[in-house]
Amino acid sequence: KNEVEQSPQNLTAQEGEFITINCSYSVGISALHWLQQHPGGGIVSLFMLSSGKKKHGRLIATINIQEKHSSLHITASHPRDSAVYICAPKKLVFGKGTKLTVNP
Amino acid sequence: NAGVMQNPRHLVRRRGQEARLRCSPMKGHSHVYWYRQLPEEGLKFMVYLQKENIIDESGMPKERFSAEFPKEGPSILRIQQVVRGDSAAYFCASSPWRGDTGELFFGEGSRLTVL
Repeated sequence: KNEVEQSPQNLTAQEGEFITINCSYSVGISALHWLQQHPGGGIVSLFMLSSGKKKHGRLIATINIQEKHSSLHITASHPRDSAVYICAPKKLVFGKGTKLTVNP
Repeated sequence: NAGVMQNPRHLVRRRGQEARLRCSPMKGHSHVYWYRQLPEEGLKFMVYLQKENIIDESGMPKERFSAEFPKEGPSILRIQQVVRGDSAAYFCASSPWRGDTGELFFGEGSRLTVL
């Protein structure tokens, strides 16, 4: 069984839609990271969270430590949100990523 | 405040040659992680270093690969006798402190092509 499972693997949305990406993990954690990798390859850290919820602009990340589950939400999605979103329950353990495409 | 700097950005090597990839962490960061991303695949952890110490190298192939982070200068990932399967993007990230609670800052990556 993989230590991290992300769903969906691929997601296509229309501009303006609400997006949810899920991450389930089996390892014990102290903080979970959400990363964004743009088509050009650059990687940016979006969130680091160990409990509850964090919000940054149109992005919201939640985590349930007991359930070992985290979600990344994007409100009012935009084509520039098109990227691969990666869940990392540990710096040494990464999910395979969710490829998001937002069409205008 | 400069971010994580990786060089070279692109490197072409012939089979059997050596590849050296460099990573300068953000100022004040003493923790460096190296990751490999094969074409069309996700990021895979390779090695975690602190100044002058290898903390965890469980993701690094046992042969031909080595990493160091000297007291002075950048961290270096060295691949000896490269093979075509080593063609990948190699990302470095730095963090201000040990453990998973420090934020990760990534470099732009070094893209290695082995002919």
